[in-house]
Amino acid sequence: GAGVSQSPRYKVAKRGQDVALRCDPISGHVSLFWYQQALGQGPEFLTYFQNEAQLDKSGLPSDRFFAERPEGSVSTLKIQRTQQEDSAVYLCASSRGQGNGYTFGSGTRLTVV
Amino acid sequence: SQQGEEDPQALSIQEGENATMNCSYKTSINNLQWYRQNSGRGLVHLILIRSNEREKHSGRLRVTLDTSKKSSSLLITASRAADTASYFCAIANQGAQKLVFGQGTRLTINP
Repeated sequence: GAGVSQSPRYKVAKRGQDVALRCDPISGHVSLFWYQQALGQGPEFLTYFQNEAQLDKSGLPSDRFFAERPEGSVSTLKIQRTQQEDSAVYLCASSRGQGNGYTFGSGTRLTVV
Repeated sequence: SQQGEEDPQALSIQEGENATMNCSYKTSINNLQWYRQNSGRGLVHLILIRSNEREKHSGRLRVTLDTSKKSSSLLITASRAADTASYFCAIANQGAQKLVFGQGTRLTINP
């Protein structure tokens, strides 16, 4: 596709509910990243995929967070048993690989109530 | 922390003036990148400068990198109201794939 597409754009979840956030990267981009951005802050790294392999998940804040990219294209970030502190914008980015800039999606704004 | 630290945190100038934002970091880098974020939107890649480069230009943007001082600057010349946004530097550490972002500079251009 022409850009990185994320859905949904907005998500309101009740505390304890599970959510799934989708990212459709640019076709042919092998690298895919998930970031979490709190209001007024810079993006914080969550996890990184190279094709279908999750090579770095050091930024996932707890075992309630899980990401996958089974066929090396679309990725899903799942948050189980959401809590209020999970409220943030979740950004997905893709890249051709190391040494290249990222293309970001518009993000999913998650609000946990 | 390995993240870049931007300075200033906020900057307000008149349209037509130049805006300079700075970024300092602590590690050895592969490259440093600058991104812009308009309110409520994703980040847009502006410029990537590699560790063996000292200066890059793109339109009204000029980025410098001083690896001895572990610092970079982003200069926007002849600012426009549309340049109002948050600007982030992001560090690609040597051997790492991920980018580490700073907290950003909020730039306001007053008409």
